[in-house]
Amino acid sequence: DQQVKQNSPSLSVQEGRISILNCDYTNSMFDYFLWYKKYPAEGPTFLISISSIKDKNEDGRFTVFLNKSAKHLSLHIVPSQPGDSAVYFCAASALLVFYFGTGTSLTVIP
Amino acid sequence: EPEVTQTPSHQVTQMGQEVILRCVPISNHLYFYWYRQILGQKVEFLVSFYNNEISEKSEIFDDQFSVERPDGSNFTLKIRSTKLEDSAMYFCASSEDSGGQRRAGYTFGSGTRLTVV
Repeated sequence: DQQVKQNSPSLSVQEGRISILNCDYTNSMFDYFLWYKKYPAEGPTFLISISSIKDKNEDGRFTVFLNKSAKHLSLHIVPSQPGDSAVYFCAASALLVFYFGTGTSLTVIP
Repeated sequence: EPEVTQTPSHQVTQMGQEVILRCVPISNHLYFYWYRQILGQKVEFLVSFYNNEISEKSEIFDDQFSVERPDGSNFTLKIRSTKLEDSAMYFCASSEDSGGQRRAGYTFGSGTRLTVV
């Protein structure tokens, strides 16, 4: 069962432009959502989170938007930098366990 | 910065053999997790562990798998009678408390690549 879906396996963006990564979920009980970033041969690292009581959370170049009615969240990176090239996972939880999407590989082209 | 440490980084084993994957969580963390990622697929939850017992497990975590915190610092995942399809990256993760974890996620280790041949 895929409770968390990332339908775009890859995304390429020019340096300086906006990167938008999307994530959909099916479980209406999810109330916390996170984005993780993963480089090859490393574990995922936490990037940004949002709770279901908010619709936007911003941290520097990273902003996460949550649309509960559509069960959709997105991560915006502005401006995109070559160092942002990585695999991005969204994750959602209702209690303690986070369920991950399949990831989107972002390539920022210099 | 505190880290979750996993050993070995790569383990090759014969099908049918038992393997033990080791993790040293961050010392003041109370919640521990194992996830795995089969190549090209999503990061899948296996098991969570709190207060010396399993708190939740997925359908993947069947009788072939077990976890243990033998000495208060290590957190191990044992896979008995390995199968080819057990080949994956196995990630250990830990968090300090449930509230902080939900705001800031887990801290993951770098993973152990298990190859079953």
